[in-house]
Amino acid sequence: AQSVSQHNHHVILSEAASLELGCNYSYGGTVNLFWYVQYPGQHLQLLLKYFSGDPLVKGIKGFEAEFIKSKFSFNLRKPSVQWSDTAEYFCAVNPAPNYGGSQGNLIFGKGTKLSVKP
Amino acid sequence: GAGVSQSPSNKVTEKGKDVELRCDPISGHTALYWYRQSLGQGLEFLIYFQGNSAPDKSGLPSDRFSAERTGGSVSTLTIQRTQQEDSAVYLCASSAWSNEQFFGPGTRLTVL
Repeated sequence: AQSVSQHNHHVILSEAASLELGCNYSYGGTVNLFWYVQYPGQHLQLLLKYFSGDPLVKGIKGFEAEFIKSKFSFNLRKPSVQWSDTAEYFCAVNPAPNYGGSQGNLIFGKGTKLSVKP
Repeated sequence: GAGVSQSPSNKVTEKGKDVELRCDPISGHTALYWYRQSLGQGLEFLIYFQGNSAPDKSGLPSDRFSAERTGGSVSTLTIQRTQQEDSAVYLCASSAWSNEQFFGPGTRLTVL
C-alpha cells in the first residue's frame, strides 16, 4: 500500500537553527508532492508543492524542499527557523495524478511537530 | 473570497447516535474531500467527490460512514451509530484543477 513516512515525531530547535524534516514515500510512479503546515489553532495551509520541473521547490516563509526521485524523498528545509515556525508539518503525496488537471486524494504522513525556543 | 467552511465546529454526541457534518467548499471548486485527523494517526482520507462522477469511497472505514454532495457544492458526512473510536477532527478540503487542496477548520467530534 502507498504510504508516507515522516521520520521525526517532534523536533525542538532554538531560533536561528537550521531545519530539515524528512519525508519518504512508497510509490514508484509519477507523484505530486506537498508540504502542509498547521499552526496552533489554525487550518492546514499549503507550504509548498512539487508537480514537475526543478526538483528544488521554494515555498512561503523561507521554506524549501528537494525532490530526490531515486530516494523517494521530499525533505523540507529552512536555513534559520523563527519562533513563529512552531507548528505541525505534514508531508503529503498524490499518487498517480492526471497530467494537466491532477486530482485525487492525498496520502499524508503522520506529521512532525516543530517547537522553536525563543 | 471565502474559504472552506465547516459546521458545526464542535460536536459532542452519545455513543450510538447519528451525526451529520457539513462542508461548504470554495465556490467553483470541482473536487471535495473528507479526511479524518486522529491523535497518533495523522490525516486519513475518507471520501472524494469530483464533479458529477461517482465518489471515491475507498477510505471510508465502515458502512456506518456515508457522504453526499448536493448540486456539486455542499457536502454532508454522516456517521451512523457513532462509536468512541469515531472521535476525531473531520476535515473537509476542496480543490480546482491545480490539485492544491484548501482545507476547512474542521469539526471536532467527541463520542461519549
